[in-house]
Amino acid sequence: DAGVIQSPRHEVTEMGQEVTLRCKPISGHNSLFWYRQTMMRGLELLIYFNNNVPIDDSGMPEDRFSAKMPNASFSTLKIQPSEPRDSAVYFCASSLAMGQPYGYTFGSGTRLTVV
Amino acid sequence: KQEVTQIPAALSVPEGENLVLNCSFTDSAIYNLQWFRQDPGKGLTSLLLIQSSQREQTSGRLNASLDKSSGRSTLYIAASQPGDSATYLCAPRTPHDMRFGAGTRLTVKP
Repeated sequence: DAGVIQSPRHEVTEMGQEVTLRCKPISGHNSLFWYRQTMMRGLELLIYFNNNVPIDDSGMPEDRFSAKMPNASFSTLKIQPSEPRDSAVYFCASSLAMGQPYGYTFGSGTRLTVV
Repeated sequence: KQEVTQIPAALSVPEGENLVLNCSFTDSAIYNLQWFRQDPGKGLTSLLLIQSSQREQTSGRLNASLDKSSGRSTLYIAASQPGDSATYLCAPRTPHDMRFGAGTRLTVKP
């Protein structure tokens, strides 16, 4: 199994530009989670999906952030327009099922720098 | 909302010592608790997963215990090695999400 795959690994963009981060969960996992990690705030849960449906997006910081999961094998996190304070490492994780005692598997993350 | 606290925030020990990392959480209605390791600039690697019905889980030199009713978990590392240097994160999972502590940054000196 290739694990959770995130792309790109690194992204540098200018303030005001649109940024799209991508995630491919482990095949068969039907729960997907987006986290953001910064030195100041640690790991924060942004949003999670179950069976491609967003369940809780209360962690999404602002309307500039949006996430989609058009099918079971792909999800995107979009920031438009991006700001320097969005600079962080964004992780995607997947799990076999919500509401079940399964562990999470994390991707390698996307390091985003907004200048 | 689950609040997770890890103590100590940082720990520096000489090689060979046995050590204990602590994790406490406020919502005891968890399915399981996962311990992760994170190396600088890297992703999260799962170390141990303890189900809510279990008291402890072991993998090599690592042993994790769980006291669900009191909202506590400990990670015990035996005979520490320089390669154990990393940040260790605990994450209790409720039916709705998984929240992380801030982590314990461990340095093992040769």
